Amino acid sequence: DGGITQSPKYLFRKEGQNVTLSCEQNLNHDAMYWYRQDPGQGLRLIYYSQIVNDFQKGDIAEGYSVSREKKESFPLTVTSAQKNPTAFYLCASSRVQSSPLHFGNGTRLTVT
Amino acid sequence: DAKTTQPNSMESNEEEPVHLPCNHSTISGTDYIHWYRQLPSQGPEYVIHGLTSNVNNRMASLAIAEDRKSSTLILHRATLRDAAVYYCIGGAGGTSYGKLTFGQGTILTVHP
Repeated sequence: DGGITQSPKYLFRKEGQNVTLSCEQNLNHDAMYWYRQDPGQGLRLIYYSQIVNDFQKGDIAEGYSVSREKKESFPLTVTSAQKNPTAFYLCASSRVQSSPLHFGNGTRLTVT
Repeated sequence: DAKTTQPNSMESNEEEPVHLPCNHSTISGTDYIHWYRQLPSQGPEYVIHGLTSNVNNRMASLAIAEDRKSSTLILHRATLRDAAVYYCIGGAGGTSYGKLTFGQGTILTVHP
């Protein structure tokens, strides 16, 4: 079955450490996205990428970085500069920019 | 994106129809109306989207007002599996699709 795989499901880190969240898709989608969700809140866009080797900042990109070296993969690094990194992180993809989004099941990051 | 307004919560009984309203008075002529739903600790799932005409698919129906300032997601026979947070989003296709803004949505509770 095609889909989006986010790993790990739960991640724990100490404050001051960088951490990379994995997102892989086998849907052959061109566009990929990272969202952040805080408890009881909606989703906020961190970064998105329309094609390989290209990506744009979303609404809350500060303290995050991404790469898009392969069509299938769009890893997100949460750096030590992100002041409040504890959150639920969701990766999504779409066939083209105007297609519905397909989401992974998220990674819950806890930083202490 | 168009600003949307949804009730914070709604309740329904199993096997009864559910009508989830959404106001989007600032929607532009080219903005689509999208609906997603999210179960706890999972990524959102696409439900339906439309522009002007009413739309039907296997999951739900979308009724769009003639002036496009409001719409209603219709679940014809609610099941316990339909209990989720439902997001109504107004946004354009094309290059801005990935920047859809997910608000807090409507929490749907389905009673057996």
